[in-house]
Amino acid sequence: AQSVDQPDAHVTLYEGASLELRCSYSYSAAPYLFWYVQYPGQSLQFLLKYITGDAVVKGTKGFEAEFRKSNSSFNLKKSPAHWSDSAKYFCALEAPGSNAKLTFGKGTKLSVKS
Amino acid sequence: GALVYQYPRRTICKSGTSMRMECQAVGFQATSVAWYRQSPQKTFELIALSTVNSAIKYEQNFTQEKFPISHPNLSFSSMTVLNAYLEDRGLYLCGAGQANSDYTFGSGTRLLVI
Repeated sequence: AQSVDQPDAHVTLYEGASLELRCSYSYSAAPYLFWYVQYPGQSLQFLLKYITGDAVVKGTKGFEAEFRKSNSSFNLKKSPAHWSDSAKYFCALEAPGSNAKLTFGKGTKLSVKS
Repeated sequence: GALVYQYPRRTICKSGTSMRMECQAVGFQATSVAWYRQSPQKTFELIALSTVNSAIKYEQNFTQEKFPISHPNLSFSSMTVLNAYLEDRGLYLCGAGQANSDYTFGSGTRLLVI
């Protein structure tokens, strides 16, 4: 069975600072990894995904994520953060061959203060 | 581009009644449709995965008797929440995808049960 852990329920920082949202996963093989963002009252928007290859993946809205097999992590990063980045961020895992079934973490609510 | 429309966006139903929600894929053929639920303050849980020419697969804690799904063609799917109660409230998300591609998510149907 696979799982995704986002240990930080809330992250608060000031505009201009660097943000890093943590995500770790548990899966027996090489997973596909995703980050999605949910703005208040809205649905999910795709940010980026990791399939294979370069450990650093660049996505939309200036975000990037780094895959680290050594500690099973896939942290989301952006610098500098902007107040409009305030939202809830979800890390998700797909087991290859599962027909795109996603397992989501509990999400991290990011608040960027101006 | 690939778009997924979900309707209604919001709905209210009385406890014990049923509510049907729909999902429309535009610009691509949705060979797979995944229905997720985000209960208040929680993450997204997969309800079921529907793939053309295969039986609909329900996840643990979700049943066809409670959440019947229809996927009659490559552009449309619907799901009904039968006999809805308070614990069924939340955001229901439809994701549609093609073979070997990621899901595109709709804007969701927010269900309130009173």
